[in-house]
Amino acid sequence: NAGVTQTPKFRILKIGQSMTLQCTQDMNHNYMYWYRQDPGMGLKLIYYSVGAGITDKGEVPNGYNVSRSTTEDFPLRLELAAPSQTSVYFCASSLPRGGLTDTQYFGPGTRLTVL
Amino acid sequence: AQRVTQPEKLLSVFKGAPVELKCNYSYSGSPELFWYVQYSRQRLQLLLRHISRESIKGFTADLNKGETSFHLKKPFAQEEDSAMYYCAPISSNTGKLIFGQGTTLQVKP
Repeated sequence: NAGVTQTPKFRILKIGQSMTLQCTQDMNHNYMYWYRQDPGMGLKLIYYSVGAGITDKGEVPNGYNVSRSTTEDFPLRLELAAPSQTSVYFCASSLPRGGLTDTQYFGPGTRLTVL
Repeated sequence: AQRVTQPEKLLSVFKGAPVELKCNYSYSGSPELFWYVQYSRQRLQLLLRHISRESIKGFTADLNKGETSFHLKKPFAQEEDSAMYYCAPISSNTGKLIFGQGTTLQVKP
């Protein structure tokens, strides 16, 4: 199993451009998550999904959109890139367990710079 | 607001010395707590969870409800323990992980 894969690894955007960060998992996990990590800070949850067709906002959703059309894929969309979105983005997945999330498996991250 | 605090950004010790990475949380109820680790050039991964009461790579973490702490400890640090460590409670209300700011552990030879 490849686990959780993310593309691209690096990207530089100009202000106002849009892009999609791709995330795919091959572990048949129901739950998927997007986090951002700013320098010196912990990970903050952007959006999450408990299954295909179901998404919900996390702590910092503004400026982002997600979709979950399949169990495997959970793309994150930035519509109008802003310098404040310069960060490292991590995708993760997990199995649900008794209503609480089980171990989360992380992708390698995408480093995004907005200039 | 639910918060998790890791007060040390950097902890530097010599090989063989004891290590304690601090984590304090402000959750009500009975949170489930995790420690995640990121080694250099590797992805973030689970180190241990308090509910399992396990020891992984010599690390243990005890939940102290009175002090609302979940410190990570190892009696004798090794150079390969050098990494970034994140404390992450899950709220029993929301079921979502909240990550602390992280502590970089540097084990010197």
